[in-house]
Amino acid sequence: GQQVMQIPQYQHVQEGEDFTTYCNSSTTLSNIQWYKQRPGGHPVFLIQLVKSGEVKKQKRLTFQFGEAKKNSSLHITATQTTDVGTYFCAGRYETSGSRLTFGEGTQLTVNP
Amino acid sequence: NAGVTQTPKFQVLKTGQSMTLQCAQDMNHEYMSWYRQDPGMGLRLIHYSVGAGITDQGEVPNGYNVSRSTTEDFPLRLLSAAPSQTSVYFCASRPGGRGYGYTFGSGTRLTVV
Repeated sequence: GQQVMQIPQYQHVQEGEDFTTYCNSSTTLSNIQWYKQRPGGHPVFLIQLVKSGEVKKQKRLTFQFGEAKKNSSLHITATQTTDVGTYFCAGRYETSGSRLTFGEGTQLTVNP
Repeated sequence: NAGVTQTPKFQVLKTGQSMTLQCAQDMNHEYMSWYRQDPGMGLRLIHYSVGAGITDQGEVPNGYNVSRSTTEDFPLRLLSAAPSQTSVYFCASRPGGRGYGYTFGSGTRLTVV
Protein backbone atom coordinates (compact mmCIF):
# COMPACT_ATOMS: atom_id res chain seq x y z
CA GLY A 1 0.00 0.00 0.00
CA GLN A 2 0.96 3.66 -0.06
CA GLN A 3 3.10 4.47 2.94
CA VAL A 4 5.21 7.39 4.00
CA MET A 5 8.15 6.35 6.14
CA GLN A 6 9.69 8.94 8.43
CA ILE A 7 13.03 8.77 10.25
CA PRO A 8 14.28 9.08 12.86
CA GLN A 9 11.48 8.37 15.31
CA TYR A 10 13.25 10.32 18.07
CA GLN A 11 15.98 12.94 18.07
CA HIS A 12 17.60 14.55 21.09
CA VAL A 13 19.81 17.59 20.48
CA GLN A 14 21.56 20.26 22.45
CA GLU A 15 20.27 23.75 21.91
CA GLY A 16 22.14 25.28 19.00
CA GLU A 17 22.66 21.99 17.15
CA ASP A 18 21.04 21.27 13.81
CA PHE A 19 18.23 18.77 13.27
CA THR A 20 16.94 16.93 10.20
CA THR A 21 14.01 14.59 9.67
CA TYR A 22 13.43 12.58 6.50
CA CYS A 23 10.38 11.19 4.75
CA ASN A 24 10.40 8.52 2.06
CA SER A 25 7.74 7.04 -0.15
CA SER A 26 8.06 4.03 -2.46
CA THR A 27 5.79 5.72 -5.02
CA THR A 28 5.71 9.23 -6.43
CA LEU A 29 3.92 11.86 -4.42
CA SER A 30 1.80 14.68 -5.84
CA ASN A 31 2.81 16.92 -3.00
CA ILE A 32 3.98 16.77 0.59
CA GLN A 33 3.03 18.80 3.61
CA TRP A 34 4.79 19.30 6.93
CA TYR A 35 3.16 19.76 10.32
CA LYS A 36 4.42 20.46 13.83
CA GLN A 37 2.73 19.19 16.98
CA ARG A 38 3.79 20.57 20.34
CA PRO A 39 3.56 18.22 23.35
CA GLY A 40 -0.10 17.89 24.33
CA GLY A 41 -1.19 19.96 21.35
CA HIS A 42 -2.59 19.48 17.89
CA PRO A 43 -0.78 19.41 14.53
CA VAL A 44 -0.15 22.80 12.95
CA PHE A 45 0.45 23.16 9.21
CA LEU A 46 3.89 24.45 8.31
CA ILE A 47 4.26 24.22 4.54
CA GLN A 48 3.44 22.38 1.31
CA LEU A 49 5.92 21.35 -1.39
CA VAL A 50 4.70 20.53 -4.88
CA LYS A 51 7.48 20.78 -7.45
CA SER A 52 10.30 18.35 -8.06
CA GLY A 53 13.47 19.59 -6.31
CA GLU A 54 11.60 22.37 -4.55
CA VAL A 55 13.29 24.08 -1.60
CA LYS A 56 11.45 26.44 0.75
CA LYS A 57 12.69 28.27 3.80
CA GLN A 58 10.94 29.60 6.87
CA LYS A 59 13.47 31.38 9.07
CA ARG A 60 15.64 28.54 10.48
CA LEU A 61 13.57 25.79 8.80
CA THR A 62 14.46 24.47 5.35
CA PHE A 63 12.13 22.10 3.51
CA GLN A 64 13.15 20.06 0.48
CA PHE A 65 11.25 17.89 -1.98
CA GLY A 66 13.31 15.31 -3.84
CA GLU A 67 13.86 15.33 -7.59
CA ALA A 68 11.85 12.13 -7.99
CA LYS A 69 9.13 13.41 -5.63
CA LYS A 70 9.55 10.35 -3.45
CA ASN A 71 11.34 11.92 -0.52
CA SER A 72 11.41 15.09 1.51
CA SER A 73 13.33 16.56 4.41
CA LEU A 74 12.97 19.22 7.07
CA HIS A 75 16.15 20.77 8.42
CA ILE A 76 16.27 23.09 11.41
CA THR A 77 19.39 25.18 11.87
CA ALA A 78 20.56 26.05 15.38
CA THR A 79 17.67 24.52 17.30
CA GLN A 80 15.97 26.41 20.08
CA THR A 81 13.84 25.10 22.96
CA THR A 82 10.79 26.45 21.13
CA ASP A 83 11.43 23.87 18.39
CA VAL A 84 10.46 21.01 20.73
CA GLY A 85 7.65 18.85 19.38
CA THR A 86 6.83 16.17 16.85
CA TYR A 87 7.27 16.92 13.17
CA PHE A 88 5.09 15.06 10.69
CA CYS A 89 5.25 14.83 6.95
CA ALA A 90 2.06 14.05 5.05
CA GLY A 91 2.03 13.01 1.42
CA ARG A 92 -0.68 13.06 -1.19
CA TYR A 93 -0.74 10.55 -4.03
CA GLU A 94 -2.33 11.06 -7.45
CA THR A 95 -4.56 8.04 -6.89
CA SER A 96 -5.70 9.06 -3.41
CA GLY A 97 -7.63 12.22 -4.28
CA SER A 98 -7.52 14.69 -1.42
CA ARG A 99 -6.41 12.14 1.17
CA LEU A 100 -3.17 12.66 3.04
CA THR A 101 -0.94 9.84 4.29
CA PHE A 102 0.97 10.86 7.40
CA GLY A 103 4.40 9.64 8.40
CA GLU A 104 4.91 8.36 11.94
CA GLY A 105 6.56 11.60 13.00
CA THR A 106 9.91 12.57 14.50
CA GLN A 107 9.84 13.63 18.13
CA LEU A 108 12.41 16.35 18.78
CA THR A 109 13.66 17.23 22.23
CA VAL A 110 16.07 20.12 22.78
CA ASN A 111 18.27 20.28 25.85
CA PRO A 112 19.00 23.86 26.94
CA ASN B 1 -12.95 32.94 14.26
CA ALA B 2 -13.04 29.91 16.52
CA GLY B 3 -11.43 27.69 13.84
CA VAL B 4 -12.12 23.98 14.35
CA THR B 5 -13.98 23.18 17.56
CA GLN B 6 -14.11 19.65 18.95
CA THR B 7 -16.22 18.44 21.84
CA PRO B 8 -15.81 16.85 24.27
CA LYS B 9 -12.11 17.20 25.11
CA PHE B 10 -12.08 14.04 27.23
CA GLN B 11 -14.41 11.05 27.35
CA VAL B 12 -14.45 7.67 29.07
CA LEU B 13 -16.75 5.03 27.62
CA LYS B 14 -17.58 1.50 28.59
CA THR B 15 -17.18 -1.23 26.01
CA GLY B 16 -20.28 -1.42 23.85
CA GLN B 17 -21.45 2.13 24.43
CA SER B 18 -22.00 4.47 21.53
CA MET B 19 -21.25 8.15 21.33
CA THR B 20 -20.72 11.02 18.92
CA LEU B 21 -17.65 13.21 18.75
CA GLN B 22 -18.60 16.66 17.58
CA CYS B 23 -16.62 18.79 15.14
CA ALA B 24 -17.54 22.23 13.85
CA GLN B 25 -15.61 24.78 11.78
CA ASP B 26 -16.51 28.38 11.05
CA MET B 27 -14.11 28.98 8.16
CA ASN B 28 -16.42 27.75 5.36
CA HIS B 29 -13.92 25.01 4.54
CA GLU B 30 -15.05 22.40 2.01
CA TYR B 31 -12.82 19.56 3.16
CA MET B 32 -13.07 17.95 6.59
CA SER B 33 -11.38 14.87 7.99
CA TRP B 34 -11.22 12.74 11.10
CA TYR B 35 -7.91 11.26 12.25
CA ARG B 36 -6.93 9.10 15.17
CA GLN B 37 -3.52 9.36 16.76
CA ASP B 38 -1.90 6.47 18.58
CA PRO B 39 1.64 6.42 20.00
CA GLY B 40 4.24 5.69 17.33
CA MET B 41 1.66 5.45 14.55
CA GLY B 42 1.25 9.01 13.40
CA LEU B 43 -2.18 10.14 12.28
CA ARG B 44 -4.47 7.69 10.54
CA LEU B 45 -7.42 8.83 8.48
CA ILE B 46 -10.79 7.49 9.58
CA HIS B 47 -13.29 9.27 7.31
CA TYR B 48 -13.25 12.41 5.24
CA SER B 49 -15.58 14.70 3.33
CA VAL B 50 -15.04 16.99 0.35
CA GLY B 51 -18.29 18.85 0.82
CA ALA B 52 -21.74 18.76 2.37
CA GLY B 53 -23.48 15.49 1.60
CA ILE B 54 -20.26 13.75 0.50
CA THR B 55 -18.26 11.40 2.72
CA ASP B 56 -15.75 8.65 2.11
CA GLN B 57 -13.71 6.12 4.04
CA GLY B 58 -10.11 6.54 5.05
CA GLU B 59 -7.56 3.97 6.22
CA VAL B 60 -9.31 2.82 9.40
CA PRO B 61 -13.10 3.33 9.01
CA ASN B 62 -14.38 0.21 10.76
CA GLY B 63 -16.46 0.94 13.84
CA TYR B 64 -17.06 4.59 12.89
CA ASN B 65 -19.74 6.46 10.98
CA VAL B 66 -19.82 10.04 9.74
CA SER B 67 -22.28 12.39 8.13
CA ARG B 68 -21.93 15.85 6.59
CA SER B 69 -25.32 17.51 6.42
CA THR B 70 -23.87 21.04 6.57
CA THR B 71 -20.56 22.62 5.56
CA GLU B 72 -19.82 23.49 9.19
CA ASP B 73 -20.38 20.19 11.01
CA PHE B 74 -18.76 16.79 10.65
CA PRO B 75 -19.66 14.50 13.59
CA LEU B 76 -17.96 11.15 14.14
CA ARG B 77 -20.08 8.39 15.60
CA LEU B 78 -18.69 5.37 17.43
CA LEU B 79 -21.22 2.61 16.99
CA SER B 80 -20.17 0.18 19.75
CA ALA B 81 -17.02 1.28 21.53
CA ALA B 82 -14.12 -1.16 21.90
CA PRO B 83 -10.87 -0.81 23.88
CA SER B 84 -9.00 -0.69 20.54
CA GLN B 85 -10.69 2.64 19.91
CA THR B 86 -8.89 4.24 22.84
CA SER B 87 -7.04 7.07 21.14
CA VAL B 88 -6.80 10.79 20.56
CA TYR B 89 -9.16 11.92 17.81
CA PHE B 90 -8.52 14.99 15.70
CA CYS B 91 -10.89 16.72 13.35
CA ALA B 92 -9.36 18.89 10.62
CA SER B 93 -10.58 21.11 7.81
CA ARG B 94 -9.18 22.99 4.84
CA PRO B 95 -10.42 24.99 1.87
CA GLY B 96 -10.98 23.20 -1.43
CA GLY B 97 -8.37 23.55 -4.14
CA ARG B 98 -4.63 23.08 -4.11
CA GLY B 99 -1.99 24.42 -1.79
CA TYR B 100 -3.87 24.44 1.48
CA GLY B 101 -2.92 22.69 4.68
CA TYR B 102 -5.33 21.37 7.25
CA THR B 103 -6.41 23.30 10.34
CA PHE B 104 -6.76 20.88 13.23
CA GLY B 105 -9.02 21.00 16.24
CA SER B 106 -7.60 20.55 19.73
CA GLY B 107 -8.59 16.88 19.87
CA THR B 108 -10.72 14.51 21.92
CA ARG B 109 -8.97 12.05 24.21
CA LEU B 110 -11.12 8.93 24.35
CA THR B 111 -10.66 6.00 26.71
CA VAL B 112 -12.73 2.84 26.33
CA VAL B 113 -12.72 0.55 29.36
